[in-house]
Amino acid sequence: SAVISQKPSRDICQRGTSLTIQCQVDSQVTMMFWYRQQPGQSLTLIATANQGSEATYESGFVIDKFPISRPNLTFSTLTVSNMSPEDSSIYLCSAAQDTGELFFGEGSRLTVL
Amino acid sequence: AQTVTQSQPEMSVQEAETVTLSCTYDTSESDYYLFWYKQPPSRQMILVIRQEAYKQQNATENRFSVNFQKAAKSFSLKISDSQLGDAAMYFCAYRHTGANSKLTFGKGITLSVRP
Repeated sequence: SAVISQKPSRDICQRGTSLTIQCQVDSQVTMMFWYRQQPGQSLTLIATANQGSEATYESGFVIDKFPISRPNLTFSTLTVSNMSPEDSSIYLCSAAQDTGELFFGEGSRLTVL
Repeated sequence: AQTVTQSQPEMSVQEAETVTLSCTYDTSESDYYLFWYKQPPSRQMILVIRQEAYKQQNATENRFSVNFQKAAKSFSLKISDSQLGDAAMYFCAYRHTGANSKLTFGKGITLSVRP
């Protein structure tokens, strides 16, 4: 199974600033996904990151707020722009395996003051 | 759109006993995967077990097994000989077999294990 490294693991940010989360996979994967999770709740998909093309965003998420890069088959970044306290959450990176399942990074816990 | 429903928010089990977590889903597709993920307080999502819809045989992984009822669109997880380390949130998830398909999660259930 793939190993996914995600950083930062946690950060405290000021309102109005932006933060970029990095996700590194130890093997080449076709599909990568970014999820958001409030503590104690389920995961909500933000977008699907495709190598060589624009990310595909879910309803309620827009590129200006959550720009995503996918420069190669092992790396992706998610930026949370112009943060507000409502953006405080856990952000998880995941990668799809050929066998169908997704593997996840450990998540990045963001707190916006 | 596909939906995954976990109607029980919490369950508790005595150590060494067996517990079953329920999950139902809705889809119009015939070819898909179903998963159970575990998320302990460390928040790392861990794959517990997977089931391919075309397989009639229920998947098993050591103490974990599923009861997959395709016609009823039901996918329950049975944990046998429960251990303290099984305490976590458990998420049922669905994914179509298409290359670009996303993983859809249920709301999750918090399982506690009593010593």
